[in-house]
Amino acid sequence: GQQVMQIPQYQHVQEGEDFTTYCNSSTTLSNIQWYKQRPGGHPVFLIQLVKSGEVKKQKRLTFQFGEAKKNSSLHITATQTTDVGTYFCAGPITSGTYKYIFGTGTRLKVLA
Amino acid sequence: KAGVTQTPRYLIKTRGQQVTLSCSPISGHRSVSWYQQTPGQGLQFLFEYFSETQRNKGNFPGRFSGRQFSNSRSEMNVSTLELGDSALYLCASSWGAGFLSYEQYFGPGTRLTVT
Repeated sequence: GQQVMQIPQYQHVQEGEDFTTYCNSSTTLSNIQWYKQRPGGHPVFLIQLVKSGEVKKQKRLTFQFGEAKKNSSLHITATQTTDVGTYFCAGPITSGTYKYIFGTGTRLKVLA
Repeated sequence: KAGVTQTPRYLIKTRGQQVTLSCSPISGHRSVSWYQQTPGQGLQFLFEYFSETQRNKGNFPGRFSGRQFSNSRSEMNVSTLELGDSALYLCASSWGAGFLSYEQYFGPGTRLTVT
């Protein structure tokens, strides 16, 4: 079935280092959203990308949507301890049984 | 503006029982979606309701059902509970219909444990 994989599954970085998570879909996504879930918390919406090749920035976070609309990335510059959590991408699949899929998530740990 | 609320927050049930979870969306939001989150399967979409109608459904057995009321509050029911139903159940509300077309606001979740 349709899947949205994220790599890496886990990432430990030293505070101040950069971090990138990649989201890859087996099918084309009409749009993609990114969420952050802190340990013990619930997902919090970060951003939505709609256009092919779109790039959006939020302070230290840069989001990109691939040209083929099948992949996306989230890059964090100079990580801080407040960036700790699991980052999920999510997208509506245009065909198949599973219409709405969340990525497998990337758990980020920032070491002070 | 109050956030999404879910009740109860924690629940322990026995195999074979049924359970009803409740979700109150943010005021003015008409769409409510439900998700199951487990360590092994991650976040999985259950269903989406808009204006009291189920618009989309994930790949879950018929034991999982839901409904939405005229005030947009939603309930989710799981019948004949199985051990594998132990999970965090999250609901999310958004202003419009069409999952992922609108920013979703998640509630704190209901932690269900089936023994």
